Amino acid sequence: GQQLNQSPQSMFIQEGEDVSMNCTSSSIFNTWLWYKQDPGEGPVLLIALYKAGELTSNGRLTAQFGITRKDSFLNISASIPSDVGIYFCAGIYSNYQLIWGAGTKLIIKP
Amino acid sequence: ETGVTQSPTHLIKTRGQQVTLRCSSQSGHNTVSWYQQALGQGPQFIFQYYREEENGRGNFPPRFSGLQFPNYSSELNVNALELDDSALYLCASSWAEGGGPLRNSPLHFGNGTRLTVT
Repeated sequence: GQQLNQSPQSMFIQEGEDVSMNCTSSSIFNTWLWYKQDPGEGPVLLIALYKAGELTSNGRLTAQFGITRKDSFLNISASIPSDVGIYFCAGIYSNYQLIWGAGTKLIIKP
Repeated sequence: ETGVTQSPTHLIKTRGQQVTLRCSSQSGHNTVSWYQQALGQGPQFIFQYYREEENGRGNFPPRFSGLQFPNYSSELNVNALELDDSALYLCASSWAEGGGPLRNSPLHFGNGTRLTVT
């Protein structure tokens, strides 16, 4: 099925480090979403972006909607252990459908 | 406020069998969507229901079907199960005027049903 290109696939970081991940598409999206999924749970919405160039924060998380409308970025500052999980980008494809990336798995090095 | 609940949490079926998965929407929500999430992948849209009718469908064969009930709960039915149907099935609900658009009505997901087909 259709999917966004999300990178990196996984990240090993030290607690306290900043994290960056991104998502690209060959198609234009008018809305970008970032979700987090913990093991055994469904995805939870972190940030929604509605306008090209928009920069939105949610606590230590900051996301940007690319100017071309074909990409988006998520940054996490000063990572903590509870940040571990899988982060997904998603674009709204139609009135009712989300197109998702394959996820970025965040792992904290002991 | 009660969130989205799905049942069962885990299920094992044999190839060729049929399965029914259930979802209770978050209170106040009128739209239900189903997604299939294979291991290591992002979710794939199956279909959406609004006012008890399917109003959007992804690239899934007809053996994937659904129902939405007057209380906005929903079922996903899969006939003639195949090995590739093994996945986490996620239900999501939202409140949407006229069944859309998603832009104005964020999806709230349940924790999914893990289906294994052997």
